[in-house]
Amino acid sequence: DQQVKQNSPSLSVQEGRISILNCDYTNSMFDYFLWYKKYPAEGPTFLISISSIKDKNEDGRFTVFLNKSAKHLSLHIVPSQPGDSAVYFCAASARDGQNFVFGPGTRLSVLP
Amino acid sequence: DSGVTQTPKHLITATGQRVTLRCSPRSGDLSVYWYQQSLDQGLQFLIQYYNGEERAKGNILERFSAQQFPDLHSELNLSSLELGDSALYFCASKRQPNTEAFFGQGTRLTVV
Repeated sequence: DQQVKQNSPSLSVQEGRISILNCDYTNSMFDYFLWYKKYPAEGPTFLISISSIKDKNEDGRFTVFLNKSAKHLSLHIVPSQPGDSAVYFCAASARDGQNFVFGPGTRLSVLP
Repeated sequence: DSGVTQTPKHLITATGQRVTLRCSPRSGDLSVYWYQQSLDQGLQFLIQYYNGEERAKGNILERFSAQQFPDLHSELNLSSLELGDSALYFCASKRQPNTEAFFGQGTRLTVV
């Protein structure tokens, strides 16, 4: 049973527009959430995180929103750039801060 | 550069063989994680070590084992290899709970 779900395997967005990537989780013990970006043949790179005590965290073009009641988080990228084309993984960890549980990833393509 | 070093980058071996993957965490990071990514799948958590001790175990096969040494580097041992073990194996390290983990570039294992 997948505890972290990313229901869109892929997403295409025009350059300059907003990219919205979604993630749902089932485990109510999760209290720390992260987004990673992964290029082919490279390791995942940390993008942004959010603690369950917040509902929004912003870092430059990247904003993560957390809706605890819906067990849903989203990553907004504005404006999207061709270099953002990658696979984006949502991850979550529980209160004890142990291992991260990753979603299956969403492949984002930003078209010039 | 994440500061996490994995060797080797590529490994090709035959079924039934045994291999060792090595990971050097970022300086000062006590936690080391191992993840497996099969073809276009998400990252599956295998095992975590903290300061030399096993801290958490995920979907790790009995044929696989790991350890973390006093200098904090870690090794993942895969034995009696099968074709299905072909995957990318990532190591990650982090400093403390509820912070991001930093990933190495991965070891691509191909079992033929």
